[in-house]
Amino acid sequence: EAGVAQSPRYKIIEKRQSVAFWCNPISGHATLYWYQQILGQGPKLLIQFQNNGVVDDSQLPKDRFSAERLKGVDSTLKIQPAKLEDSAVYLCASTPAGTGNTEAFFGQGTRLTVV
Amino acid sequence: SQQGEEDPQALSIQEGENATMNCSYKTSINNLQWYRQNSGRGLVHLILIRSNEREKHSGRLRVTLDTSKKSSSLLITASRAADTASYFCAPRGDYKLSFGAGTTVTVRA
Repeated sequence: EAGVAQSPRYKIIEKRQSVAFWCNPISGHATLYWYQQILGQGPKLLIQFQNNGVVDDSQLPKDRFSAERLKGVDSTLKIQPAKLEDSAVYLCASTPAGTGNTEAFFGQGTRLTVV
Repeated sequence: SQQGEEDPQALSIQEGENATMNCSYKTSINNLQWYRQNSGRGLVHLILIRSNEREKHSGRLRVTLDTSKKSSSLLITASRAADTASYFCAPRGDYKLSFGAGTTVTVRA
């Protein structure tokens, strides 16, 4: 079984530029999560999808961050324009369903550096 | 808030020793999960304990859950260098999957 795929693994951009991250969850997994993890901190949930609908985006900075999950499969997270404080690892995870009774599978993450 | 709070923040032990870390939470849960994160990598699920369970084992891991105190503990026995990582608990009552700051464990050779 293939795991959660994320790309790119690393990205360096200048502030005010835009960037996009891609995630392909495990096949058949209905729930997809995006997290932001700043160095030394725990992962912070940005947005959660159930199929192609948003379940929770309460911590997503909507003035600059956007995410979509077309067709309920893969997902993209975009930042536009980027700020220095957006430097972090962006993690994607998926679970079979949204009930919380199963483990989550994480990708390797995308490390973003904003200079 | 459904996220757990891990304690201690950091732990340094000698190889072969046991490591214990705790998790406290505030809401009612269906289960509680523990995850490990090696430096710069994604989180890996370690163990899930349901709210009607009090103790669970998996290899060198032992997890306890006390729902009356809203707390859980993770014990790693006979630690190895490969156990050096950050450990996160995730109390789950609904659809959310949230994490605290974690416990950073360093195993010294």
